[in-house]
Amino acid sequence: DADVTQTPRNRITKTGKRIMLECSQTKGHDRMYWYRQDPGLGLRLIYYSFDVKDINKGEISDGYSVSRQAQAKFSLSLESAIPNQTALYFCATSEGQGTPGANVLTFGAGSRLTVL
Amino acid sequence: GENVEQHPSTLSVQEGDSAVIKCTYSDSASNYFPWYKQELGKRPQLIIDIRSNVGEKKDQRIAVTLNKTAKHFSLHITETQPEDSAVYFCAARTSYDKVIFGPGTSLSVIP
Repeated sequence: DADVTQTPRNRITKTGKRIMLECSQTKGHDRMYWYRQDPGLGLRLIYYSFDVKDINKGEISDGYSVSRQAQAKFSLSLESAIPNQTALYFCATSEGQGTPGANVLTFGAGSRLTVL
Repeated sequence: GENVEQHPSTLSVQEGDSAVIKCTYSDSASNYFPWYKQELGKRPQLIIDIRSNVGEKKDQRIAVTLNKTAKHFSLHITETQPEDSAVYFCAARTSYDKVIFGPGTSLSVIP
């Protein structure tokens, strides 16, 4: 089945370490997103990409960077992890502009990151 | 800036009763309003959405209403069942074509 796959699913790291979360999709969607989920704060947008050459900051991009290596791959990096980046991270995809599914998000299973 | 507020943060109802979750948005250019359901330990999934040219939309036991003048929209679940227990997120598509979420409502349906 076409899906959105996140790796790793769980990661424990230490303050100051560099961490990369990876997302790949087989849905053929143009758009990819990274969200962060914290209790009581909902899903907050970190970065989003409408195609390989179009990357945009979201609500909370400070401390994060992204790379869109291909249409199907979108990675999130924490250059120097800090404890308040402990959260559940979701990758999502959607169809491109002008399509009925342009803003209908399909989420991956999530990557739980703990920074000690 | 762009913002979506959601109330209540928690909601408990008896099985069979109705549940209502309300959201407001700040970007007057928003024109698409989805609702996602997240069961415990699972990923969020779209349950219903509404576009700004429509005031109400129904799908079996769930319905959404939109008041563009007041910039608020609501989710209504009738005849609630235990499997409706989950966290519900409202969202809005902003003028920059990104989807911003509310903080979520944890719904508990008591058998």
